Amino acid sequence: QQQVKQSPQSLIVQKGGISIINCAYENTAFDYFPWYQQFPGKGPALLIAIRPDVSEKKEGRFTISFNKSAKQFSLHIMDSQPGDSATYFCAAMKGAQKLVFGQGTRLTINP
Amino acid sequence: GAGVSQSPRYKVTKRGQDVTLRCDPISSHATLYWYQQALGQGPEFLTYFNYEAQPDKSGLPSDRFSAERPEGSISTLTIQRTEQRDSAMYRCASSRDRVGTQYFGPGTRLLVL
Repeated sequence: QQQVKQSPQSLIVQKGGISIINCAYENTAFDYFPWYQQFPGKGPALLIAIRPDVSEKKEGRFTISFNKSAKQFSLHIMDSQPGDSATYFCAAMKGAQKLVFGQGTRLTINP
Repeated sequence: GAGVSQSPRYKVTKRGQDVTLRCDPISSHATLYWYQQALGQGPEFLTYFNYEAQPDKSGLPSDRFSAERPEGSISTLTIQRTEQRDSAMYRCASSRDRVGTQYFGPGTRLLVL
């Protein structure tokens, strides 16, 4: 059972554009929603995370939007740069239990 | 250490052989996780340790998989009688505690022929 569904599978954005990746979850007990960025040959690294008591969190060019009623959350990358080209994973966790990851989105920023 | 390290980075083995993968977490981190990542998919939880205790083994696919962390630092993941379907990237992560940020290692890519 896929508890976190991520889309799109791949995304191409022009430099300077906005990249948007979406995730939907099923378990309403999840209370921590991180996004991980993974470059080729490296492990995933935490990019930004949100808890369900807020609807939006912004860190630099990266913003998480969270919709609790729809059980959806998304990552927005403003002014996308070629260095942002990577695979992005959303995830969810309940309490201090295991992270449940989405399938990943391969993002390519064209110069 | 500076980050999570894993060894070997690549392992090719024949079906039926046993393999052992090693994870060296960040030195101050109490919690250590093992994940399996298939190509084009996100990591899937296998098991975790809090110091040397192993509270959750629910993600281990079969009894051929086992993990240890005897002294609460370095951990090993052993796969006995490997099968082709075990081919995947195996990732280790560590965190300060059970609710802290998980820091991932570079992974071990296992190929079972």
